[in-house]
Amino acid sequence: DTAVSQTPKYLVTQMGNDKSIKCEQNLGHDTMYWYKQDSKKFLKIMFSYNNKELIINETVPNRFSPKSPDKAHLNLHINSLELGDSAVYFCASSLTSGSPYEQYFGPGTRLTVT
Amino acid sequence: GQQVMQIPQYQHVQEGEDFTTYCNSSTTLSNIQWYKQRPGGHPVFLIQLVKSGEVKKQKRLTFQFGEAKKNSSLHITATQTTDVGTYFCAGQKGAQKLVFGQGTRLTINP
Repeated sequence: DTAVSQTPKYLVTQMGNDKSIKCEQNLGHDTMYWYKQDSKKFLKIMFSYNNKELIINETVPNRFSPKSPDKAHLNLHINSLELGDSAVYFCASSLTSGSPYEQYFGPGTRLTVT
Repeated sequence: GQQVMQIPQYQHVQEGEDFTTYCNSSTTLSNIQWYKQRPGGHPVFLIQLVKSGEVKKQKRLTFQFGEAKKNSSLHITATQTTDVGTYFCAGQKGAQKLVFGQGTRLTINP
């Protein structure tokens, strides 16, 4: 069974379009995250939700809007896509209590903006 | 803000050689985690270190957490082709976000 799943795996779209990426986890975790990994492999956190509440909101253009309908789902909607948005986007989840606070990553969504 | 620096950025070794990557934080950490990302894959959790001076081993991998809880290292003995990938350290201060280092990309010549 897949622990953290993302759809789609690949997304190719043109500048100016709006797109969404979906994430689901079946681990019973209460915290979910969105990370962006650029071409140099640098992993940068974008957002984090705990029990559907936004707890981390990094300096990200407001064209990016996360939505968490419930603890098991975290979606990312991107408006007016730009070339610089091309990257791999990873969803992750974790428990916030107990140790370790390890994060489980999804397989990633490779977004290419042309 | 909190920064986590990791060196080297790239490392190429012959199969059988040892490999070490180093991680330094600008602030004292409550814990540090290590992840491995295979080419084309996603980061996978390897281990977490919590105590000052802690050393943990996983087969050929040895992880250390510095006495001041500001630095860490991952050492692989006698690398194998299955060790190829990017190794990330990630530091956390209390309940704050996990901050990832830039990663060390390991390639191996068989």
